[in-house]
Amino acid sequence: EAGVAQSPRYKIIEKRQSVAFWCNPISGHATLYWYQQILGQGPKLLIQFQNNGVVDDSQLPKDRFSAERLKGVDSTLKIQPAKLEDSAVYLCASSSFSRVNTEAFFGQGTRLTVV
Amino acid sequence: AQSVTQLDSQVPVFEEAPVELRCNYSSSVSVYLFWYVQYPNQGLQLLLKYLSGSTLVKGINGFEAEFNKSQTSFHLRKPSVHISDTAEYFCAVSDVNGNKLVFGAGTILRVKS
Repeated sequence: EAGVAQSPRYKIIEKRQSVAFWCNPISGHATLYWYQQILGQGPKLLIQFQNNGVVDDSQLPKDRFSAERLKGVDSTLKIQPAKLEDSAVYLCASSSFSRVNTEAFFGQGTRLTVV
Repeated sequence: AQSVTQLDSQVPVFEEAPVELRCNYSSSVSVYLFWYVQYPNQGLQLLLKYLSGSTLVKGINGFEAEFNKSQTSFHLRKPSVHISDTAEYFCAVSDVNGNKLVFGAGTILRVKS
């Protein structure tokens, strides 16, 4: 079974530029999460999708961050414009959260450095 | 909403010694509880999970955790650690629909020879 795929693995941009991250979840997983993990901290949930609908985006800084999951499969997370404090690893996870599987599977993450 | 507190930011321990990593949670609804491990420059990997039933759950690599509802805790234990267990460990909680999967700040386990 293929895992959660994320790209790019690394990205360096200047502040005020824009950037986009892509995530392809495990096939058949209806739930998709985006997390921000700042160095030395635990992952912080930015947004959760169920199919192509948003379940929770309460911690997404909506003035600069946006995310979409068209067709309920892959997803993109965008930052525009980026700030220095956005430097972090952005993790994507997916889950089916069925009675059989309650585990969220994580991708390798995208390490963003804003200079 | 759920929240998680990991009580120790770093735990140093000698090889073959036992270890306990502490986790407390708060929630107004029934929850599922998880422990994940993160090795350097890698993604998160599930160690174990508590859904229901027996309060003692066993996971991979010899780890186990005990759910204590009255103390709202889910501490992770291993009777004898190895150098290879050096990593960061995260406790997480979600509601029983998988919503709002929230992580603690993490505990770095450093195993010394």
